[in-house]
Amino acid sequence: GAVVSQHPSWVICKSGTSVKIECRSLDFQATTMFWYRQFPKQSLMLMATSNEGSKATYEQGVEKDKFLINHASLTLSTLTVTSAHPEDSSFYICSARDLRNTGELFFGEGSRLTVL
Amino acid sequence: QKEVEQNSGPLSVPEGAIASLNCTYSDRGSQSFFWYRQYSGKSPELIMFIYSNGDKEDGRFTAQLNKASQYVSLLIRDSQPSDSATYLCAVNLDTGRRALTFGSGTRLQVQP
Repeated sequence: GAVVSQHPSWVICKSGTSVKIECRSLDFQATTMFWYRQFPKQSLMLMATSNEGSKATYEQGVEKDKFLINHASLTLSTLTVTSAHPEDSSFYICSARDLRNTGELFFGEGSRLTVL
Repeated sequence: QKEVEQNSGPLSVPEGAIASLNCTYSDRGSQSFFWYRQYSGKSPELIMFIYSNGDKEDGRFTAQLNKASQYVSLLIRDSQPSDSATYLCAVNLDTGRRALTFGSGTRLQVQP
């Protein structure tokens, strides 16, 4: 299946700092990528849809100024958590749909963010 | 009503038994349905997808879709301890949104 790579897999940062997470589609072009967040023992919640060459679409309740998304190429989307606080600690997962075949969604490995 | 609903479990089955996982969805116009498996601390991995009414088999896994009842299920035959994980049902709702909407997941425990 298609491969989506995410980096870093885990990060620990101090409160008030910014953290950037990268998501790459390795063997296909993804004009659209999706960023999910998952708190412990909860399901995946869609944060935003990242569109190559245009602004991301954010879900209700997600602050666009806090979670900056950039999708500058067909294979790379980045999520920057700005001025991180402990409540931002979560598992962030990017994904992309491989539209060459049946359009299933493939996930990156996930990035576990811990804000101290 | 949640858009995609699953029983959180845990569902406990003995090794070798059939595990049955269920999912209902609210949008009658939904077209595609996916089952993902997620181990603790890991990202979800795709197990199966189904688009048409009926059954779809892949190895020990069978997905069943009933659009009239807005119901999709996953059967795991000959369950193994390594199948112990959380199983997420995901639906491409007919909302124009390209992202998948996930259920809360069912935790499966296969007892050796």
